[in-house]
Amino acid sequence: QKEVEQNSGPLSVPEGAIASLNCTYSDRGSQSFFWYRQYSGKSPELIMFIYSNGDKEDGRFTAQLNKASQYVSLLIRDSQPSDSATYLCAVGGASNTGKLIFGQGTTLQVKP
Amino acid sequence: DAGVIQSPRHEVTEMGQEVTLRCKPISGHNSLFWYRQTMMRGLELLIYFNNNVPIDDSGMPEDRFSAKMPNASFSTLKIQPSEPRDSAVYFCAGGASSGANVLTFGAGSRLTVL
Repeated sequence: QKEVEQNSGPLSVPEGAIASLNCTYSDRGSQSFFWYRQYSGKSPELIMFIYSNGDKEDGRFTAQLNKASQYVSLLIRDSQPSDSATYLCAVGGASNTGKLIFGQGTTLQVKP
Repeated sequence: DAGVIQSPRHEVTEMGQEVTLRCKPISGHNSLFWYRQTMMRGLELLIYFNNNVPIDDSGMPEDRFSAKMPNASFSTLKIQPSEPRDSAVYFCAGGASSGANVLTFGAGSRLTVL
């Protein structure tokens, strides 16, 4: 079992719709959870992070964390073609080392 | 700040040659990470340093790979001898020990070994 799992996609949504990206992780001691966006040929860039169970909103993005289910999700409201990219889920361990384990990423396509 | 700076951006070499990738982290970031990204395996952590000291090199594939961080502003990842299966994009990322464990990535070095 991979430490961090994501559906590779592609996930295709129409412009203006809500895109829902999901991630599961295996280490119950994980403490920090991140979503990175990566455009083709570019480096990953941070979208948002979440530490506590529940929802965290930042503009059109909402991260959701359920530690009991070992599940993290990212919702993108009012999806735009510019949101088309690969979204990487990353998980940090129990110790605050900064070490992150990444999932394979989900490719999102937003169609005009 | 110019961000995390990596060089070279692209490297094409022949099997058996030595490859050295370089990274200059953001000033004040005391953790430095080397990742490798391929289509098949995604982003894999190779090694990371904290305050210039290697903490975890369990991701280094084999003895052909080595990494150093002689000071807070410079790190190298060396592959000797290189093999075609080493072809990948190598990212350097930095983070601060305080705060949210956020990593900032460099632009990456795309390595092709023929």
